[in-house]
Amino acid sequence: GENVEQHPSTLSVQEGDSAVIKCTYSDSASNYFPWYKQELGKRPQLIIDIRSNVGEKKDQRIAVTLNKTAKHFSLHITETQPEDSAVYFCAASSTSGTYKYIFGTGTRLKVLA
Amino acid sequence: DVKVTQSSRYLVKRTGEKVFLECVQDMDHENMFWYRQDPGLGLRLIYFSYDVKMKEKGDIPEGYSVSREKKERFSLILESASTNQTSMYLCATTTGRETQYFGPGTRLLVL
Repeated sequence: GENVEQHPSTLSVQEGDSAVIKCTYSDSASNYFPWYKQELGKRPQLIIDIRSNVGEKKDQRIAVTLNKTAKHFSLHITETQPEDSAVYFCAASSTSGTYKYIFGTGTRLKVLA
Repeated sequence: DVKVTQSSRYLVKRTGEKVFLECVQDMDHENMFWYRQDPGLGLRLIYFSYDVKMKEKGDIPEGYSVSREKKERFSLILESASTNQTSMYLCATTTGRETQYFGPGTRLLVL
């Protein structure tokens, strides 16, 4: 069936360093790729998304890249800060179908001060 | 601002009990989803609904049912709770095809 693989499952970086989280999807029909951040005890919240007609999108310290040929997409966080510590989920969705998301298994990011 | 609420933040139930989890949204969204979240497994889709009285199974529907009698309300029902249904349950909504907005979650413990 359709699935999304996410790596790594945990990631520790020093404050100020960059963090990269990678996802691979299996459904060729996927054309929308959101990233969610979930802080401890809180609900997941959308931080950035990308559609299949673009290869990269940036929002301040956060960027997402998409390689449709390889079915890879990645989240890049630069100049990490302690408040970036959270669990990050990637997802893939096809907007031509039932609007379901397939989520990755999550990455726990720890930013060490 | 989208508002999605869930009936309980924490719930403790006994094995065999019938459990109702409720999700309410105030944005007239058509699509509503129920997920469970477990460590290392991410968010897994249980059921979703794209209209009143319409429902579709997600990836792990066994042991669950749903009800959507009104557009703003989507209920998840555990017909006979079991210990392996101890989990965090998250509701989400979307108006169309893209961004899903999540509720605060219900942490369910089945003893």
